[in-house]
Amino acid sequence: GESVGLHLPTLSVQEGDNSIINCAYSNSASDYFIWYKQESGKGPQFIIDIRSNMDKRQGQRVTVLLNKTVKHLSLQIAATQPGDSAVYFCAAPSNTGNQFYFGTGTSLTVIP
Amino acid sequence: DTEVTQTPKHLVMGMTNKKSLKCEQHMGHRAMYWYKQKAKKPPELMFVYSYEKLSINESVPSRFSPECPNSSLLNLHLHALQPEDSALYLCASSHTSGAISYEQYFGPGTRLTVT
Repeated sequence: GESVGLHLPTLSVQEGDNSIINCAYSNSASDYFIWYKQESGKGPQFIIDIRSNMDKRQGQRVTVLLNKTVKHLSLQIAATQPGDSAVYFCAAPSNTGNQFYFGTGTSLTVIP
Repeated sequence: DTEVTQTPKHLVMGMTNKKSLKCEQHMGHRAMYWYKQKAKKPPELMFVYSYEKLSINESVPSRFSPECPNSSLLNLHLHALQPEDSALYLCASSHTSGAISYEQYFGPGTRLTVT
């Protein structure tokens, strides 16, 4: 099955700085990736997705970069705010495409 | 309406109890999911329903019994649970469980404690 892992379990950043959260995956055939944000006491919330025919996608204050050569993707958050404090998961589909595997999660703490 | 609702928010049950978790969505999604999430861990898939039919059962013990009465509702019936089943149970839905649209909308979860 797919293996998805995040590089760092925790990350602390100063308010206003940029944050980078990294994720590696094992299945070179994976064609779609999602980043989720999970705040304390809530379910995961979709942030941004990217398909394998792209290497970059931008949203509001967030950018996802995909490097298929090394099977790595990253989530960049610009001007990090206290409300960005949460656990961030990357997710990739299974070989059959009918379920997602979640990475282990990175807990982001924003220091005021 | 882009919301998935779950009830109850919290549930404490004994090992001999029978209880049910409920999930509802009105986005017209035809795929619905149950996940189990332990503290500081990612969600783990338990069941997938596609067009009201069970399509994936990730080797979940029979003390967990899912039910999809219609396209908007998903239940998880619990019986004779163990303390290690204590976790956050998340429901999610998506347009389909196939290749067209993967984005899953999650509910807030039910925090289950088995005593």
